Amino acid sequence: AQRVTQPEKLLSVFKGAPVELKCNYSYSGSPELFWYVQYSRQRLQLLLRHISRESIKGFTADLNKGETSFHLKKPFAQEEDSAMYYCALSGMDSNYQLIWGAGTKLIIKP
Amino acid sequence: DAGVTQSPTHLIKTRGQHVTLRCSPISGHKSVSWYQQVLGQGPQFIFQYYEKEERGRGNFPDRFSARQFPNYSSELNVNALLLGDSALYLCASSFRQGANQPQHFGDGTRLSIL
Repeated sequence: AQRVTQPEKLLSVFKGAPVELKCNYSYSGSPELFWYVQYSRQRLQLLLRHISRESIKGFTADLNKGETSFHLKKPFAQEEDSAMYYCALSGMDSNYQLIWGAGTKLIIKP
Repeated sequence: DAGVTQSPTHLIKTRGQHVTLRCSPISGHKSVSWYQQVLGQGPQFIFQYYEKEERGRGNFPDRFSARQFPNYSSELNVNALLLGDSALYLCASSFRQGANQPQHFGDGTRLSIL
């Protein structure tokens, strides 16, 4: 079955510390992976997608097919990074639906 | 552009009733998707419409239906409401069809079933 797992419901780190938000997936085909973010009192929005291979707001994510993971990383956390982060997957086997993880709430402590 | 707009913002219904939720996509976007988000969980895909046709359906009962109009706005209808239908219903638009397209979300409609 297709599944996205975000093992941490809550992650709290200090400003300036590295951040890693974990995302593991279960999918038989070739997935496309995404990170969406929701800042306080804002709408859910796309942060980055693995095929773009971009760094957005200092965040990067690498698709590791061997470990079926797509962890989101940032070397130095900033207070404005505090938000809810969702990992999502799309692919042919899922009829191109987005399958979402439960989300991780990231809190950056000053 | 105001982005994706959804109405109403909040709605309270009782079991057995039906409800219609509305969504207007970003100007120029032809695809609309609907999601259900229960508290503490990620969004769950319900439907995707593109050019007024259903292009994808999630694992939801037939009580859920939707349509897209010529101006690309969309309605989600839910019949015979159950307590478990209480959730935030999100609409997202994209320029092209497919969940791999960047989805632009509205603020959602909070539906409470009593």
